[in-house]
Amino acid sequence: DGGITQSPKYLFRKEGQNVTLSCEQNLNHDAMYWYRQDPGQGLRLIYYSQIVNDFQKGDIAEGYSVSREKKESFPLTVTSAQKNPTAFYLCASSIPSSGSSHNEQFFGPGTRLTVL
Amino acid sequence: AQSVAQPEDQVNVAEGNPLTVKCTYSVSGNPYLFWYVQYPNRGLQFLLKYITGDNLVKGSYGFEAEFNKSQTSFHLKKPSALVSDSALYFCAVRAVTGGGNKLTFGTGTQLKVEL
Repeated sequence: DGGITQSPKYLFRKEGQNVTLSCEQNLNHDAMYWYRQDPGQGLRLIYYSQIVNDFQKGDIAEGYSVSREKKESFPLTVTSAQKNPTAFYLCASSIPSSGSSHNEQFFGPGTRLTVL
Repeated sequence: AQSVAQPEDQVNVAEGNPLTVKCTYSVSGNPYLFWYVQYPNRGLQFLLKYITGDNLVKGSYGFEAEFNKSQTSFHLKKPSALVSDSALYFCAVRAVTGGGNKLTFGTGTQLKVEL
């Protein structure tokens, strides 16, 4: 799982509560990503950030928020507006890609979120 | 829009036999293609990528993949499977231009290697 840590490993949330998932990397990567993984659906991009203080919505951003105040940190908040938040959440980082190449992403170990 | 199809939810193979995990893609223009592997309750690990050049790409743990532009495929192969290869495999694609630096992943193929 390289130099990316995610905490906690397991997280339980009551309906109506916001919860924040942590992602930290020591790889000196500029780009960071959040994915959601559901059985049989693969990985879907929630948010990504190519540089500090900047981030973009992915394919399923509704009900989620992020911040990128430091290069090494990209926390994800799952808000009460997310209707079906139970899933496995994966954070990744990479050297930013250009038009002539695409650098592979390095993934953290994941956080499994369960809504009670 | 870019997309990836992994037509098999599960592939079963005997140890020592060759294995193939299939992937087809759809993008506008040329693709960047990737394979990742995931062990239970873990993050994804990078196996190999195709950017340009030789259509046969060699990666980690003896895996290789062949880029076939006419068939829009990027199948993952290994000449001799090991029980330890059992895991979930993901193919991913990004368009060279217009992809927005975003990868699109397939739904995954569960590989089971049995003795």
